[in-house]
Parts: sequence; C-alpha cells; structure tokens
Amino acid sequence: GQSLEQPSEVTAVEGAIVQINCTYQTSGFYGLSWYQQHDGGAPTFLSYNALDGLEETGRFSSFLSRSDSYGYLLLQELQMKDSASYFCAVSPISGGYNKLIFGAGTRLAVHP
Amino acid sequence: ETGVTQTPRHLVMGMTNKKSLKCEQHLGHNAMYWYKQSAKKPLELMFVYSLEERVENNSVPSRFSPECPNSSHLFLHLHTLQPEDSALYLCASSPGQGRTGELFFGEGSRLTVL
Repeated sequence: GQSLEQPSEVTAVEGAIVQINCTYQTSGFYGLSWYQQHDGGAPTFLSYNALDGLEETGRFSSFLSRSDSYGYLLLQELQMKDSASYFCAVSPISGGYNKLIFGAGTRLAVHP
Repeated sequence: ETGVTQTPRHLVMGMTNKKSLKCEQHLGHNAMYWYKQSAKKPLELMFVYSLEERVENNSVPSRFSPECPNSSHLFLHLHTLQPEDSALYLCASSPGQGRTGELFFGEGSRLTVL
C-alpha cells in the first residue's frame, strides 16, 4: 500500500519560519507535491519535486529525499494569510493521469 | 477563481433522495477527477476520466455514479446514500497524462446526508 504521514497541527508566529514534514511509504512514485487549502476553499498547488533536492518558489520551498522517504515544505517570513491546511501528495508509478495519493494534511496556525 | 466550478456548493439530502453534483472546467484540460474529503482524513480518489473515458474507479460504492458527457463537464450522481457519505466532494482537472503532480481543484460541494 501507499501512505503519507504529516503532523496534524503546527503553530508559528508571524515572520517566523516553519517546516512541515512528510514521510511516505510507497512502492514507487514520480514526484512529491504540496497543496494549500484555506477553510472553505479549493486545494491549490504549491510545488512539485520530481528529483531530490530543494525547489524554491518565493517564500515557499519544498525538499525531497527519496533515500530517506521524506520531504518537507518550508514556509519563510510567515504571514497571517498562510494559516491554512497543507497536504503532501505523491504521484505513484502504478497510477497515471496525475492520480495523486494525499496525506491527511497539516493545519498551520500563524499567530501575531 | 481556479477555473474549475462546482455546483451546488452545499447540499443536504435524505438517504432516499437522488441528487447530482456538477463540475465544469474552463481550462481546456483532458482529465477530470472526483475526490472525497472527510475531516482529518486524506483526500480519497474516487474516479478519474480521461478524454471522457473512465480510467479509474477506486472501489467506490455503486450509490455513487459518475458521468462525463464531454471533457469540460463531470457529474457525480448520488442515490440512497448513507450518513457516512457526508463529506466535501472535490472535483479536479489536469491537462492530460503529464505527471506534473498538479491538479486544479474546485471549491467543492459540501454534502450532508441525513
């Protein structure tokens, strides 16, 4: 089977840096994605790591280590609007058409 | 505005009702998906359509019946549901077979089964 583990909740203060970890068990996958979802909103794509290493997009960075079955999302210079749920997801080799398997999500609360 | 529109946004139905959820994408994508989102659980993939052909049926009960009349529209027909089917149903689309890890989601239809 395939599964992804994330912390259920993370809290941080405005301006800080927070890292949301994702560990996975899968027989093989093409890449690791991250999504953000505000309450009542649609999940929106943040990043995709097909290769090991760090991908940077503005204040957000994502990291993948296939040898450690581990990835993380790094959010810098936190803002109140970053309060949301964050999901990691893998694209399994056995699937296709972007058939993504998701983690249960991490709820990030940013405080002043 | 994500380019994927779902209606209705909220739906309350009894266990004997028949209702349908509608999804429309304005992105020119070839693949469309139904996901179920329950509290504190991973998003569960239900169905995948590519070029209007169902390519994935993830062991979903027959009380959920998808329909894809064209590449822009996707329906989820509901009948004789159970209270445990109450959840947020998310529609998504993607350009096609490219495995970029990127799906474009609608805001979902919040379903409550009484």
